[in-house]
Amino acid sequence: DAGITQSPRYKITETGRQVTLMCHQTWSHSYMFWYRQDLGHGLRLIYYSAAADITDKGEVPDGYVVSRSKTENFPLTLESATRSQTSVYFCASSDRTNTGELFFGEGSRLTVL
Amino acid sequence: GQNIDQPTEMTATEGAIVQINCTYQTSGFNGLFWYQQHAGEAPTFLSYNVLDGLEEKGRFSSFLSRSKGYSYLLLKELQMKDSASYLCAVRDKYGGKLIFGQGTELSVKP
Repeated sequence: DAGITQSPRYKITETGRQVTLMCHQTWSHSYMFWYRQDLGHGLRLIYYSAAADITDKGEVPDGYVVSRSKTENFPLTLESATRSQTSVYFCASSDRTNTGELFFGEGSRLTVL
Repeated sequence: GQNIDQPTEMTATEGAIVQINCTYQTSGFNGLFWYQQHAGEAPTFLSYNVLDGLEEKGRFSSFLSRSKGYSYLLLKELQMKDSASYLCAVRDKYGGKLIFGQGTELSVKP
């Protein structure tokens, strides 16, 4: 089915481990985004990408790495997870036609012990 | 940088009208969005304003004043299912990233 999917939906890991959250969209949208959502902070932008091989930092990029070798995929890697990275992570995509609204994945809930 | 402010919580009665305000200060502006988010779910798009004025979509309307850095979302004929978080977001001047406010948690009571 067309859409934007995230995996895994739930993940428990330990401090210091590397974790990769996957995001895949089938619309060929040019823009893709990673947000984290925590109580009291709303949605905060981690990284975004305007096209394949083009990425840029958002509001809270420290501790995260992204890549975009293909238009449809935008993985987010926590190279050495910390407890403060326990959060719900949302991937989103948009194109630049019409309103350019963001379409969100279902979210990935990450717990770092 | 960008700063977006919304009230944290609001309560309203079923059948009533509620207005959720959003003020923003940005170094550039290329559109304002409202999203709805039910607990445990992803945000879903409600409305988009890029020019001053009112956009109406059924029970939902959104207003923008660029000179005042101000927007509101108006929900009419409130229903219990409207209980959710409402997120205001501003797109930057270059049309790329979207920055969100903290969201307004709306509780609709019978």
